[in-house]
Amino acid sequence: SQQGEEDPQALSIQEGENATMNCSYKTSINNLQWYRQNSGRGLVHLILIRSNEREKHSGRLRVTLDTSKKSSSLLITASRAADTASYFCAYGRVSGTASKLTFGTGTRLQVTL
Amino acid sequence: NAGVTQTPKFRVLKTGQSMTLLCAQDMNHEYMYWYRQDPGMGLRLIHYSVGEGTTAKGEVPDGYNVSRLKKQNFLLGLESAAPSQTSVYFCASSLLAGGRDTQYFGPGTRLTVL
Repeated sequence: SQQGEEDPQALSIQEGENATMNCSYKTSINNLQWYRQNSGRGLVHLILIRSNEREKHSGRLRVTLDTSKKSSSLLITASRAADTASYFCAYGRVSGTASKLTFGTGTRLQVTL
Repeated sequence: NAGVTQTPKFRVLKTGQSMTLLCAQDMNHEYMYWYRQDPGMGLRLIHYSVGEGTTAKGEVPDGYNVSRLKKQNFLLGLESAAPSQTSVYFCASSLLAGGRDTQYFGPGTRLTVL
């Protein structure tokens, strides 16, 4: 399977702590994206980092990309109960005329008060 | 601006029945996608479209058909439903090609096939 792999599968932390999720992939990529999915809802885009970028920030989110190791990490700082959700990485590949986004299996984050 | 909408939200079918899922987007996006989400599997691409009148197979196309007669709509059909098609189905759209751009997702359709 070409699916990305995420680690850990589940993460439980207390409010105020930082949460780190990792994503690994196997092919050359154009970009890597992170999405959030609240229970029973659709996916919402969080951040996109291009293959020539190493780090990107958006509010409390920090994403890193290491193309030599084919891995990315998502850091959520000062987590809140509202951050409780599943988080998916997705990497974009461009091959010939095909251009596709491949999703990882996700990390379930639980933030408790 | 509703974004991406999906109809219906829930559906229960018996094996062998057929149905059509409707996806609509109001962002004037060229690219549209149908995914299925199963526990522990992430999202897998079923079919996609790069523009009005075009469709292409994704990773898991068997048992499904699609049509894109209008730019804003993308229909997913199940001709003869099977229990293995029990899943949550998501539609998405993007301005640029799938591997280059952010995708915007609908709220999903939960389908159960008995």
